[in-house]
Amino acid sequence: GAVVSQHPSRVICKSGTSVKIECRSLDFQATTMFWYRQFPKKSLMLMATSNEGSKATYEQGVEKDKFLINHASLTLSTLTVTSAHPEDSSFYICSARGRLRGYEQYFGPGTRLTVT
Amino acid sequence: AQSVSQHNHHVILSEAASLELGCNYSYGGTVNLFWYVQYPGQHLQLLLKYFSGDPLVKGIKGFEAEFIKSKFSFNLRKPSVQWSDTAEYFCAVGDSGGGADGLTFGKGTHLIIQP
Repeated sequence: GAVVSQHPSRVICKSGTSVKIECRSLDFQATTMFWYRQFPKKSLMLMATSNEGSKATYEQGVEKDKFLINHASLTLSTLTVTSAHPEDSSFYICSARGRLRGYEQYFGPGTRLTVT
Repeated sequence: AQSVSQHNHHVILSEAASLELGCNYSYGGTVNLFWYVQYPGQHLQLLLKYFSGDPLVKGIKGFEAEFIKSKFSFNLRKPSVQWSDTAEYFCAVGDSGGGADGLTFGKGTHLIIQP
């Protein structure tokens, strides 16, 4: 199957700082990337969808100014959590989908964000 | 809006027992259906998917699922589980339009297989 990586795997930051998480599709061109958030013992919640070269589409209730998403190339999308607060602590997972992959989503390993 | 309901949050079975995990969804249109597995410390992996055609779908590692449209269900089954099947299982639904929509996930079922 296709490989999607995320970096970093874990990050701890202080309140008020910003954190950038990278999502890369390593062996295919991802025309669409998705960002999910997974709360403890709960399901994944779709935060936003990003298509290469265009603005991300955010789900209802997700602050676009707080969670900045950039999808500058067919292999890289970034999620920046701005002015992080402890309630932003969570597990962030990206997935990627490409035309040549039959629109199946391939998931990254996730990034554990802890805001102190 | 789509929603997915997984009936069991925790399931404990002995090795060689049969498994069935329930999944129901609500959506007004045609959907694509998925089961994902997340082994401890690992990322989500696709077990199987249904897009169209035969409603009985076979996936990896001996898993299968049956799409019953009239019941809005997509239950996951395995005739004989192994200790290595211990993991979190997620049912998910996506818009079959093949467009840009992300997936809607159920809350997951934590499966523990006892040796």
